[in-house]
Amino acid sequence: SYALNQPPSVSVSPGQTASITCFGDRLGGMYASWYQQKPGQSPVLVMYQNDERPSGIPERFSGSNSGNTATLTISGAQAMDEADYYCQAWDSATVVFGGGTKVTVL
Amino acid sequence: EEKLVQSGVQVKKSGESLKISCKGSEYSFSKYWIAWVRQMPGKGLEWMGVIFPLDSDIRYGPSSQGQVTISADMSTSTAYLQWNGLEASDTAMYYCARSTGAGWYDALKIWGQGTMVTVSS
Repeated sequence: SYALNQPPSVSVSPGQTASITCFGDRLGGMYASWYQQKPGQSPVLVMYQNDERPSGIPERFSGSNSGNTATLTISGAQAMDEADYYCQAWDSATVVFGGGTKVTVL
Repeated sequence: EEKLVQSGVQVKKSGESLKISCKGSEYSFSKYWIAWVRQMPGKGLEWMGVIFPLDSDIRYGPSSQGQVTISADMSTSTAYLQWNGLEASDTAMYYCARSTGAGWYDALKIWGQGTMVTVSS
């Protein structure tokens, strides 16, 4: 079955850049999406179709997808960006989420 | 504001049946897929399946096939997730979410608040 692999955790200093990676076989040939989830809250879509930001998502969030790796980048990370981030793609008959990356801003 | 509102907290015993709901509002319910996503305590997101309310086209994830039933009622703009015999391992938060577009695999733009299901053995 298809799998998406993410690093368990990423740390970033306030104002610096955080890159969250998502690895999957042939992922660059699909659309990847990204969700942010804060404790006790529902997930929020922050990126879709690799690099499209939904309305209301700050410009500091950007996305890319090439080869086997999709990347969500937070440029100028803020304390409010501390959350779990999940990538998502699909393969044949199912949608798959990555295992999630905990982003710590400190 | 486009919204999905889910039914409330459920506490059940093993073997019991359950049907939870997800009501859409302020958008055309028939035009978008509704997905169900499971999150077990302290764990990540797991896609369970998706339904297109207009024609009840349904796709199930590998671990959900045969374990749950997804349905929808266009007259009330409500999607459902149903179990016929709960197990303790079904204890989780269940989210419904609406697709961004017309594809069953599209990103999920609108999310419900979640329904917590606790099953005791």
